[in-house]
Amino acid sequence: AQKITQTQPGMFVQEKEAVTLDCTYDTSDPSYGLFWYKQPSSGEMIFLIYQGSYDQQNATEGRYSLNFQKARKSANLVISASQLGDSAMYFCAMRNTGNQFYFGTGTSLTVIP
Amino acid sequence: NAGVTQTPKFQVLKTGQSMTLQCAQDMNHNSMYWYRQDPGMGLRLIYYSASEGTTDKGEVPNGYNVSRLNKREFSLRLESAAPSQTSVYFCASSERKWVGKKGGYTFGSGTRLTVV
Repeated sequence: AQKITQTQPGMFVQEKEAVTLDCTYDTSDPSYGLFWYKQPSSGEMIFLIYQGSYDQQNATEGRYSLNFQKARKSANLVISASQLGDSAMYFCAMRNTGNQFYFGTGTSLTVIP
Repeated sequence: NAGVTQTPKFQVLKTGQSMTLQCAQDMNHNSMYWYRQDPGMGLRLIYYSASEGTTDKGEVPNGYNVSRLNKREFSLRLESAAPSQTSVYFCASSERKWVGKKGGYTFGSGTRLTVV
């Protein structure tokens, strides 16, 4: 069963603008973690941000923030002040109390100068 | 530097050939994973090892075998390579239990495999 859904295969944003990448998830576990990873063209997977299911506040890491709406089961990534180096694939992932991660199919972000 | 080391980075195989992808981590993680990444399909789990001495099938295990050699090393073997196994392969490791931010993956740099 699909656990993570990213509905935006590709996104474009103007440099210095903010962009939101969508992610919805499905789990019946009360305890879970949500993660975002960035994959630039060089191929490595880079951890960006984490949100725990019990966290009261939305996570922030520099220009990245996670808009966590638990009732809607959404965990959207917001990138503020986009830079050319933000052009990459972005993956949303979830880990519940088991030993597996569930990844979305990714969103390709292109930052336009 | 601490992390996950994968070898080789690139490989071209002929159909029917065998090879082993190596993965080693030095973060004392219990759990290790092998994923394949194909365009439009994200990352799909091939096999994982929750702890030393255990291995389990993931979503797409057919055509692969794994060995958890010790706590540090987790190898992936293709016994008879097929063109459908052309992909980018990632090894990852994590703490066994989900423990907040530390429950995230640390990924290797990937192996780009082409089967002709």
